[in-house]
Amino acid sequence: DAGVIQSPRHEVTEMGQEVTLRCKPISGHDYLFWYRQTMMRGLELLIYFNNNVPIDDSGMPEDRFSAKMPNASFSTLKIQPSEPRDSAVYFCASRATENTEAFFGQGTRLTVV
Amino acid sequence: AQSVAQPEDQVNVAEGNPLTVKCTYSVSGNPYLFWYVQYPNRGLQFLLKYITGDNLVKGSYGFEAEFNKSQTSFHLKKPSALVSDSALYFCAVRDIGNTPLVFGKGTRLSVIA
Repeated sequence: DAGVIQSPRHEVTEMGQEVTLRCKPISGHDYLFWYRQTMMRGLELLIYFNNNVPIDDSGMPEDRFSAKMPNASFSTLKIQPSEPRDSAVYFCASRATENTEAFFGQGTRLTVV
Repeated sequence: AQSVAQPEDQVNVAEGNPLTVKCTYSVSGNPYLFWYVQYPNRGLQFLLKYITGDNLVKGSYGFEAEFNKSQTSFHLKKPSALVSDSALYFCAVRDIGNTPLVFGKGTRLSVIA
């Protein structure tokens, strides 16, 4: 398996624009997580899914953020409109079962100018 | 609520010397504990985990960690450090059940030749 695949690797956008980050989890994994990493706040959980169903989105910072998982092999994280304070590295991770470790993608480095 | 503390932002060690990266945790029940490593511009890579069983857990690249329930600690260790071990190390915890990982702030390990 190629692991968790995220795209794009880098995204530079202007404030106010819509940004969509994409994730393909490892095949067969039931759980998918979106994390955000910044110097100030470290790794923060934004939202996670179990069997394509959102379980906990309490970490989503504002209504500008939304995430979907239309099927077991694809998820998106959308920011609309984007703001400079959204600049961070966004990671997607997947996990097979309750007792297994999570595997992380390479991340998307988002810069909002 | 779950939490993780990594009390050292930075650990410096000479190549060939033993290294320890400290981690303490707080959970309401029995913990699942993990260590991950992050190299520059990369995602997090899984090193090792404690779910149950032997308190001493061995992982990738010669790393090991000891679960100490009385001290609520899960320190990462390696008998002989390599320059290539220089990276950012994250301790993470979650409670039993369908919960996501909570990460510490990370400790930057620098191994000097």
